[in-house]
Amino acid sequence: GQNIDQPTEMTATEGAIVQINCTYQTSGFNGLFWYQQHAGEAPTFLSYNVLDGLEEKGRFSSFLSRSKGYSYLLLKELQMKDSASYLCAVNTGGFKTIFGAGTRLFVKA
Amino acid sequence: EAGVAQSPRYKIIEKRQSVAFWCNPISGHATLYWYQQILGQGPKLLIQFQNNGVVDDSQLPKDRFSAERLKGVDSTLKIQPAKLEDSAVYLCASSLQDTDTQYFGPGTRLTVL
Repeated sequence: GQNIDQPTEMTATEGAIVQINCTYQTSGFNGLFWYQQHAGEAPTFLSYNVLDGLEEKGRFSSFLSRSKGYSYLLLKELQMKDSASYLCAVNTGGFKTIFGAGTRLFVKA
Repeated sequence: EAGVAQSPRYKIIEKRQSVAFWCNPISGHATLYWYQQILGQGPKLLIQFQNNGVVDDSQLPKDRFSAERLKGVDSTLKIQPAKLEDSAVYLCASSLQDTDTQYFGPGTRLTVL
């Protein structure tokens, strides 16, 4: 079957660094996406990884290891506005993208 | 560039009634998706169009849900008749092609009483 696992919730302190993990088991792999979703809003694109390694974009970085079926999203210098759900999604090829259930991040002062 | 448009934003109906949602994707995007998102869960794909053809509707409850994409642009999703468990946010998204980043509309929050 197809499976994407993420922690349900995480809490971190403003100014700190947090790492949100995602593991996947899918029939194929054609890229991994991270989306941010604030409460009551639609998901918005954060990052895309198709090759192994780290992609850095400002305060956000995303890492992929295809051999381990593993990715993480790293958020640095956390701000209150980073409180949101973070969705990991895998494109398995064959027109299919599967979303994980999301990790709800709470940033406290 | 205009984003994905959806209407209505909110809808409250009673069970067994019908409801329809509309989506206008980003211009030039070949792939259009309808997702159902229940509170606290990730989006669940209901149906995916490539231009005006269906490429995945494996999770669409076809006894009550239907969708079409006219001329490969706008799309409508219909529920008839609605059940209580259909209460959710219905998200429409589009992408240039199926492997590309998806851009989401604001969603329609459906409440079935």
